[in-house]
Amino acid sequence: QVHLVQSPPEMRGPGASVKLSCKTSGYTFINYGVTWVRQAPGQGLEWMGWVGAHNGDPNYAQKFQGKVTMTTDPSTTTAFLDLRGLTSDDTAVYFCARIVGPPNRGRVDSWGQGTLVIVSS
Amino acid sequence: QSALTQAASVSGSPGQSITISCTGTSSDIGGYDFVSWYQQHPGKAPKLLIYEVTNRPSGISNRFSGSKSGSTASLTISGLLAEDEADYYCSSYTSRNTWVFGGGTELTVL
Repeated sequence: QVHLVQSPPEMRGPGASVKLSCKTSGYTFINYGVTWVRQAPGQGLEWMGWVGAHNGDPNYAQKFQGKVTMTTDPSTTTAFLDLRGLTSDDTAVYFCARIVGPPNRGRVDSWGQGTLVIVSS
Repeated sequence: QSALTQAASVSGSPGQSITISCTGTSSDIGGYDFVSWYQQHPGKAPKLLIYEVTNRPSGISNRFSGSKSGSTASLTISGLLAEDEADYYCSSYTSRNTWVFGGGTELTVL
């Protein structure tokens, strides 16, 4: 059974950085990409980017270029999301999810439980 | 990339059918058959209902169906159940090799 388990909630001050993890199990990690989506309190879903299956190449939404780094560690079947220069606008729940097939097809079949990041002074 | 346009809310009575629309442009919905729909209950992760406009993943009820005309995609839920009360999001691949979500539609089952 496919599982994506995300790291616990985080609190940071403005300007800080945070690294979130997404531990996967139940499937062959390198055969599937991972995408990251965030949701600010009371708001909708916002796509941040994806990281490719075979080569780990990332593709970020323009808004997040220079702000985030998405990586994977096949040895631990874990995906990571690095966020820097945090502001209060980055307060949100961050979800990781598994991509089935080519990323452009948008088939995301399994999700992590989400990690709440709070940015506050 | 602007978010796809969805109505903020829709409602229906049990047993009825409702349709949620999602409007984009020729650079996203209108240009590709890579539209997905997600259901999200409060405090939960989204759940994939439809991918590639019309396809249902295994385990998803056939009460959920998707379609597309031009730059507008639609999700129809037939035989409404109380458990269908949730937020619904569309998403599409775009010409910039990215994804974009709709703003979400809150479904109330009366």
